[in-house]
Amino acid sequence: QKEVEQDPGPLSVPEGAIVSLNCTYSNSAFQYFMWYRQYSRKGPELLMYTYSSGNKEDGRFTAQVDKSSKYISLFIRDSQPSDSATYLCAMSANYGQNFVFGPGTRLSVLP
Amino acid sequence: DTAVSQTPKYLVTQMGNDKSIKCEQNLGHDTMYWYKQDSKKFLKIMFSYNNKELIINETVPNRFSPKSPDKAHLNLHINSLELGDSAVYFCASSHRKQWGAEAFFGQGTRLTVV
Repeated sequence: QKEVEQDPGPLSVPEGAIVSLNCTYSNSAFQYFMWYRQYSRKGPELLMYTYSSGNKEDGRFTAQVDKSSKYISLFIRDSQPSDSATYLCAMSANYGQNFVFGPGTRLSVLP
Repeated sequence: DTAVSQTPKYLVTQMGNDKSIKCEQNLGHDTMYWYKQDSKKFLKIMFSYNNKELIINETVPNRFSPKSPDKAHLNLHINSLELGDSAVYFCASSHRKQWGAEAFFGQGTRLTVV
């Protein structure tokens, strides 16, 4: 079993839809969880980060962590064509180190 | 003002050559990383340095050697390049003890070995 798993997609949704992106992981020591967005031929950029379990909201984005199920989610409300990108989850057990990435989910938001 | 910058952005070279990729961060972070992203877009850590000290060295061929002259720089030297080394290499940095622990990435260096 890979340490972090993510459905690679592609996931296609119409503009305005609510998007749900998910990752599962196997290492119970992970406690810092991040979502990155990567446009084609660009470096990943941080969207959201959370510590331990719970929800965090930032504009149209909501991150959820369920440590008991080893499951994290990113929700995008009112999706836009500009949200079309690959979304990578990442996690680590300690401050600022040893980030492990999921393989990414490719999202297409169709106008 | 770029936070994490890598050069070159593109690198095309022949098998057997030796090449270097440079990385600099101006964020004041104390930890820097090299990641490799293969054709399937999977990001995998190669090396991590904290205050110029190597703290992660994943299973990477000896042909890859990181060098950190100071906290703000982490260069990657690759000897005897092989076809399988073709990938996008990303440099990243973070602050080891800062709450949030997010990493900031450079724009990537697309290496093609022919």
